[in-house]
Amino acid sequence: DSGVTQTPKHLITATGQRVTLRCSPRSGDLSVYWYQQSLDQGLQFLIQYYNGEERAKGNILERFSAQQFPDLHSELNLSSLELGDSALYFCASSVVSGLGYGYTFGSGTRLTVV
Amino acid sequence: QQQVKQSPQSLIVQKGGISIINCAYENTAFDYFPWYQQFPGKGPALLIAIRPDVSEKKEGRFTISFNKSAKQFSLHIMDSQPGDSATYFCAARERSGYSTLTFGKGTMLLVSP
Repeated sequence: DSGVTQTPKHLITATGQRVTLRCSPRSGDLSVYWYQQSLDQGLQFLIQYYNGEERAKGNILERFSAQQFPDLHSELNLSSLELGDSALYFCASSVVSGLGYGYTFGSGTRLTVV
Repeated sequence: QQQVKQSPQSLIVQKGGISIINCAYENTAFDYFPWYQQFPGKGPALLIAIRPDVSEKKEGRFTISFNKSAKQFSLHIMDSQPGDSATYFCAARERSGYSTLTFGKGTMLLVSP
């Protein structure tokens, strides 16, 4: 157990739907990162939050949004889902922002859009 | 634009052999280069990392070699074991900004018994 908890582990939904993925960071970690992993694109950075504030944005679609709550857990919202959104979504956390080391990943949420 | 290029895509090595995975980058602002190991059904886990002020870092059977002038770095797994079979990702972080890691596309390593 890495200490980063992601729920649900698996999610199957239809095109056009909206889903919410949840991440609880490791105790003491203030930074949360979301990554999308697909077979052809590898790990793509989506978005980073630090202590409730958005800090960096990567290749995140406009249909996707995220937030980090006062208790530091984070949610990634995916809407108007398309078949191509099927992927593994990982959350990672680290103690501080501005340091690359110390990323701890969760086990991911496997999203299947049918 | 792929900022970190990783090769090979897949690799089969016999038990006891040396596994070598290579990565190259263009962005000279990168200042931290970690390697992650991922087993099926799990998230990536930090394996070993290096900064560009050293040319080599060794931790047990795992060694990173870093060539700053060529903008290349590689992971060597000595005495490879079947338990090392996993997907390996190289990554890099920019000196400025908020420390997001840019990953290579990964290498699936299979160590045959």
